[in-house]
Amino acid sequence: GENVEQHPSTLSVQEGDSAVIKCTYSDSASNYFPWYKQELGKRPQLIIDIRSNVGEKKDQRIAVTLNKTAKHFSLHITETQPEDSAVYFCAAREGTGGFKTIFGAGTRLFVKA
Amino acid sequence: DAMVIQNPRYQVTQFGKPVTLSCSQTLNHNVMYWYQQKSSQAPKLLFHYYDKDFNNEADTPDNFQSRRPNTSFCFLDIRSPGLGDAAMYLCATSSFLWGASHITGNIQYFGAGTRLSVL
Repeated sequence: GENVEQHPSTLSVQEGDSAVIKCTYSDSASNYFPWYKQELGKRPQLIIDIRSNVGEKKDQRIAVTLNKTAKHFSLHITETQPEDSAVYFCAAREGTGGFKTIFGAGTRLFVKA
Repeated sequence: DAMVIQNPRYQVTQFGKPVTLSCSQTLNHNVMYWYQQKSSQAPKLLFHYYDKDFNNEADTPDNFQSRRPNTSFCFLDIRSPGLGDAAMYLCATSSFLWGASHITGNIQYFGAGTRLSVL
């Protein structure tokens, strides 16, 4: 089955700097890669996603890149703000026609004002 | 408006006392999921339903059961909660279309969760 690894586990940046979180996956058939932001005590919220037929997607300060050959994808947050502080999870949907989304272990992002 | 609703938000139960958590959705999605999330960890899938087809994860303890009486509702039953079952339980839904999955993806919508405490 799919395995998703996420790095780093903790990331601390200064307000205004960029933050990058990286994930790798094992199942070459995986075709959908969402990113979730989870604030303390709240539900995971989808912030951006990318499908395997696309290499990059951007939404304002957030972008995701996908390298299918290397089986890795990354989240880029530019001009970070204190409200970006949260735990971020990458995930991959199994590509065998199943319904399972496998989550990475999460990255706790701290944005220092 | 909430689309995936979990009740209760907080549940306290006693060791060994059965408890049921509920989830309802207004999205008419055909897939519903139950996740367990412990502090500082990723959500861990317990099981999911595709319509009425139940799919249990291999490592989900027998202590956890689920029911989906109709499209809108799904329940998580913990038959004999132990201290290790204290966690946030998240329900999620998605709409899965065979043949169109590459286009529609499998976007999951999460409920706010039920935080379970076991005394």
